[in-house]
Amino acid sequence: DAGITQSPRHKVTETGTPVTLRCHQTENHRYMYWYRQDPGHGLRLIHYSYGVKDTDKGEVSDGYSVSRSKTEDFLLTLESATSSQTSVYFCASQVGGGDTQYFGPGTRLTVL
Amino acid sequence: AQKITQTQPGMFVQEKEAVTLDCTYDTSDPSYGLFWYKQPSSGEMIFLIYQGSYDQQNATEGRYSLNFQKARKSANLVISASQLGDSAMYFCAMRDVTNFGNEKLTFGTGTRLTIIP
Repeated sequence: DAGITQSPRHKVTETGTPVTLRCHQTENHRYMYWYRQDPGHGLRLIHYSYGVKDTDKGEVSDGYSVSRSKTEDFLLTLESATSSQTSVYFCASQVGGGDTQYFGPGTRLTVL
Repeated sequence: AQKITQTQPGMFVQEKEAVTLDCTYDTSDPSYGLFWYKQPSSGEMIFLIYQGSYDQQNATEGRYSLNFQKARKSANLVISASQLGDSAMYFCAMRDVTNFGNEKLTFGTGTRLTIIP
């Protein structure tokens, strides 16, 4: 367990508004990840980070951006939210190469 | 590209019976790792068990074991003596290493397990 927290835990927003989700971990893990979970799709990787200011795209990165200015924080931004981005968002972190990923509690986002 | 397949969308099992959840994978990398996670109705993702591609023995963690058949590219989760608290969604995942040496997981679509009293 990496002491991962996510905020907010629930959010309802309107189409076209910007949204930022925050992930915070307390264990100095190198890797951090953002996933979305939708019925029938399992978890799909949005973006990940392998160090401060080092990020890369996952398989469903369109419409999302990320930033990591400190080891402990990984932010996910929806620049202009759409209804297709209604989902449950999970953050995860991993100590380093070859280690297990541990997950935060998730954020339920609804875009109306 | 790596792919994980879980062919059982849902399973119903009598309490105290053993359960096998299927997972097959596809990769061309000789080095990889396989994971199982549990997601109860409360929503959190809980790590259960890990198997490395070079591990000689099947992984075990308490009532959980991983039936790893490398030639068949399968990594089935076995839960012995199932309990009501085992009712949950179960995800199989495979570790993927990018060209730059960074790691990420690819998940299957999950199996919803329901334990019947």
